Amino acid sequence: QVQLQESGPGLVKPSQTLSLTCSVSGDSINSGNYYWSWIRQHPGKGLEWIGYMHNSGISYYNPSLKSRVTISLDTSKNQFSLRLSSVTAADTAIYYCARRALIQVRSGAFDIWGQGTMVTVSS
Amino acid sequence: DIQMTQSPSSLSAFVGDRVTITCRASQTISSYLNWYQQKPRKAPKLLIYAASSLQSGVPSRFSGSGSGTDFTLTISSLQPEDFATYYCQQSYSVPSITFGQGTRLEIK
Repeated sequence: QVQLQESGPGLVKPSQTLSLTCSVSGDSINSGNYYWSWIRQHPGKGLEWIGYMHNSGISYYNPSLKSRVTISLDTSKNQFSLRLSSVTAADTAIYYCARRALIQVRSGAFDIWGQGTMVTVSS
Repeated sequence: DIQMTQSPSSLSAFVGDRVTITCRASQTISSYLNWYQQKPRKAPKLLIYAASSLQSGVPSRFSGSGSGTDFTLTISSLQPEDFATYYCQQSYSVPSITFGQGTRLEIK
């Protein structure tokens, strides 16, 4: 059974960098079969894709966040991470990590999600 | 960017009702359309991928159809546990991905 679990600070000060980690169990992020992704949801709002990365090193980011986002993989720990710099109150949201299938496997769907972690940006 | 528009934004229905939710893409996306269910304070759950393929473990009362720009999610007989918010998501214009704004399904 594949499980993803987010961890990281729940409170970040404005202008600082938000850092989250997603621990993966039941699958290897080095398998090459998936993209490892971050998605966020502002309180009471819809879903916003942040970015995703493949173990080949390919990464893609939402153009609206691209200048501030870095996703990285740590295959030795079977974890992947999100860094979002220069945060403002507008970055307050629930952050989900998710596994995204290759397009030819399950139409690029996000088939496994972490439970989500609330991050508040406030001084 | 491809925009995804769901309708209705919310609806009320009775247990046992047949319910249909629509998702329209701003341009053709072939069948690269996925559906998710999100219950309060929970992560989204994949229901349908590639427009009409049922994800493993999802009850057969859920079904999806459509291609091109117009898609539907149908719940054949609503169960109490189905009351949630539903999202569509296109993966045609990779690397960019977009979600619909969501449809909230409430108990009448």
